[in-house]
Amino acid sequence: EIVLTQSPGILTLSPGERATLSCRASQSVRSSYLAWYQQKPGQAPRLLIYGASSRATGIPDRFSGSGSGTDFTLTISRLEPEDFAVYHCQQYGYSPPFPFGPGTKVDVK
Amino acid sequence: EVQLVESGGGLVQPGGSLRLSCAASGFTFSSYEMNWVRQAPGKGLEWVSYITSSGSTIYYADSVKGRFTISRDNAKNSLFLQMNSLRAEDTALYYCARARGFTGLYDAWGQGILVTVSS
Repeated sequence: EIVLTQSPGILTLSPGERATLSCRASQSVRSSYLAWYQQKPGQAPRLLIYGASSRATGIPDRFSGSGSGTDFTLTISRLEPEDFAVYHCQQYGYSPPFPFGPGTKVDVK
Repeated sequence: EVQLVESGGGLVQPGGSLRLSCAASGFTFSSYEMNWVRQAPGKGLEWVSYITSSGSTIYYADSVKGRFTISRDNAKNSLFLQMNSLRAEDTALYYCARARGFTGLYDAWGQGILVTVSS
């Protein structure tokens, strides 16, 4: 079973700054079945990125995903006030389990 | 608008049972695979169970296998999770999540329902 680790645990930045979040898998993620979700306090997660780099419907282009194999990155080019949240990566595919990483909290400085 | 609304949560003693429901609307429920995902207080997300659109294929996380049962009623646009032999470590917010294709990619989530296992 693939184990995902995310770094850093907490990222403290100011609005307008660039955020770079990392997700590392314990083994290669097949066909880049790697997703990113955003979760705000008291809310359900929201799909941001799938297939490592494809934005979900309605997601602004300041969010971008990259990577392959075992190393993946979520980049937020310029943080907006509404982007301060927890970000989860997930390995998905056609056969469970579908593990999530522990999350990275993007906090306001 | 796609909506998933969970119900049936609450406080239960260790060893007890609960049945969660998820009412779906705004899409053709019978065409989608569905899942339960949980989140313990202050923790990350954990996939719990998966059921195909027809209900013919089901998977469980090892942590709940043998204790939880997922099911669905496509005529009533509803998803269920029967939880037996509950443990303190099952305490979490339980989300109903719609899967895209035959994958574990979740493109719609309910707001979650809290299950607390405590004496």
